[in-house]
Amino acid sequence: KNEVEQSPQNLTAQEGEFITINCSYSVGISALHWLQQHPGGGIVSLFMLSSGKKKHGRLIATINIQEKHSSLHITASHPRDSAVYICAATANFGNEKLTFGTGTRLTIIP
Amino acid sequence: GAGVSQSPSNKVTEKGKDVELRCDPISGHTALYWYRQSLGQGLEFLIYFQGNSAPDKSGLPSDRFSAERTGGSVSTLTIQRTQQEDSAVYLCASSALGETYEQYFGPGTRLTVT
Repeated sequence: KNEVEQSPQNLTAQEGEFITINCSYSVGISALHWLQQHPGGGIVSLFMLSSGKKKHGRLIATINIQEKHSSLHITASHPRDSAVYICAATANFGNEKLTFGTGTRLTIIP
Repeated sequence: GAGVSQSPSNKVTEKGKDVELRCDPISGHTALYWYRQSLGQGLEFLIYFQGNSAPDKSGLPSDRFSAERTGGSVSTLTIQRTQQEDSAVYLCASSALGETYEQYFGPGTRLTVT
């Protein structure tokens, strides 16, 4: 069993829909990262959070430490949001190596 | 300022040859990471450098893999006697340890071993 699990693996939605991607982890963590990877491979960090909720534009990330669960939400989805979204965990402050989930491939249809 | 850069962007090599992959982190970033993204296997950690501390090599898949970081800046990942299973995209990231620990990724080097 992977230490970081994501669901769903693939998600197709219509433009404008509210999107939720889930991430659960089985180890203690110091932080949970959400990353975005567009076709062509570049990886961009969206959020890093260790508690509560963060919002950036149409993207919202939440984490529940007790339940070891995090969600990434996209409001008013747009075709340009189509990408692979990856959650990753860091276990220790001072060594921030990432343990990755398998990613969620999101496709937004116009 | 400039982001993380990696070179070459693509490398095709014959099985058994050695390869060197280079990473230039963001200036001032003390932490540097190498990751690998293999087709069908997702992203995995390889090695981590932090300042002058001994690197965390726990992710290196075999002793054919090694990495160094000179002067706390540029890093080179070396793969000796390459095998076909080494084919992957090798990604470098750097971060400035502080409140955010956000990691900034380079564009990657696509390695193909024929």
